[in-house]
Amino acid sequence: NAGVMQNPRHLVRRRGQEARLRCSPMKGHSHVYWYRQLPEEGLKFMVYLQKENIIDESGMPKERFSAEFPKEGPSILRIQQVVRGDSAAYFCASSPGGPTQYFGPGTRLTVL
Amino acid sequence: QQQVKQSPQSLIVQKGGIPIINCAYENTAFDYFPWYQQFPGKGPALLIAIRPDVSEKKEGRFTISFNKSAKQFSLHIMDSQPGDSATYFCAARRRETSGSRLTFGEGTQLTVNP
Repeated sequence: NAGVMQNPRHLVRRRGQEARLRCSPMKGHSHVYWYRQLPEEGLKFMVYLQKENIIDESGMPKERFSAEFPKEGPSILRIQQVVRGDSAAYFCASSPGGPTQYFGPGTRLTVL
Repeated sequence: QQQVKQSPQSLIVQKGGIPIINCAYENTAFDYFPWYQQFPGKGPALLIAIRPDVSEKKEGRFTISFNKSAKQFSLHIMDSQPGDSATYFCAARRRETSGSRLTFGEGTQLTVNP
């Protein structure tokens, strides 16, 4: 059973470009959480999605950030017009329901 | 009220020692407390988790001690090995109708010397 998959693993963007981060949950998991980790810090919750629905986006910045989890395909975290402060590791976690979450390897975003 | 405070920030022990990492929380609505291990460049891996109706849980060399009245919990690693060198995060989940978001501590960088 494959684990949570994220791609790309590393992403470099210039200021003002768009970043798209993808997350494929574990088989059978319909709950996806996105977290952001700044250097030398803990993980901070961003958004929680179930198939085709955003359930809790209280941790998402109000502008430039969006997330989706379509009926088919991976969950996508989209950052428009990236700024240097967006440089971080972005992790998704999947769950079959309940509290246990399994994390992917992360996408490390660098904004030049 | 949503914070989880973790200490120490870093910890160095000799092989065979028992590192202890501590976490404290304020929000009594937290009902699930996992620990994650993270190696450089990797995602966090779930180690062990506990609920507040249990005071201790062991899985292999890892033990969680939980003190509900003090709102504190800790991770003990028995017979630590150099391969245990990693960053450890505690977390807490507040059960809500809108899911199981985790609140993380700031992490403890553990080094186990040979």
